[in-house]
Amino acid sequence: AQTVTQSQPEMSVQEAETVTLSCTYDTSENNYYLFWYKQPPSRQMILVIRQEAYKQQNATENRFSVNFQKAAKSFSLKISDSQLGDTAMYFCAFMKQGEYGNKLVFGAGTILRVKS
Amino acid sequence: NAGVMQNPRHLVRRRGQEARLRCSPMKGHSHVYWYRQLPEEGLKFMVYLQKENIIDESGMPKERFSAEFPKEGPSILRIQQVVRGDSAAYFCASSPKYSLYNEQFFGPGTRLTVL
Repeated sequence: AQTVTQSQPEMSVQEAETVTLSCTYDTSENNYYLFWYKQPPSRQMILVIRQEAYKQQNATENRFSVNFQKAAKSFSLKISDSQLGDTAMYFCAFMKQGEYGNKLVFGAGTILRVKS
Repeated sequence: NAGVMQNPRHLVRRRGQEARLRCSPMKGHSHVYWYRQLPEEGLKFMVYLQKENIIDESGMPKERFSAEFPKEGPSILRIQQVVRGDSAAYFCASSPKYSLYNEQFFGPGTRLTVL
């Protein structure tokens, strides 16, 4: 079974600065996807960024980028130029690649607070 | 294209009552997933359904919980004889039959409170 670990329950960052959220996972699969989801106070789950395990290049989406280390099973999220609207719970998630849809396995989450 | 719809958004039940949570997937999506989020925790997978079929129910409690996704209409997550420990946010997600990334689109969730 796959597990996802987020070792930072809470983080805070000053507006306009950079912050990195950590995530490690455990799997025996070779093909899979990794995701970061954001959950603001509204509780809506919003996809921030995804990474395919077969791609060596780290994914980027505007101010969000990842550091994917497949051998170390590490998948950290870097948020640059932090904004107040980035305040939210962030979840790292794992999905096996397969013929049919597959379930997401989530970490426990990291609360990020952006301070003005 | 409307997103994933869930209703009700908030549901209050007394212990022993039944709770029915509804999920309408995005148009054209035939895969539905249910997840539960207990207070201060991450989301936990419960069940994965396609139209008229349960594909993976490995995360469903063995008793009192059931799910369906009929040919017509929304997917239903049903909890019989609710207990306080069932209080949680229940999220539905949907995906199309064929998807390059198997991306799941989430609904706003139903917050169940058991008194």
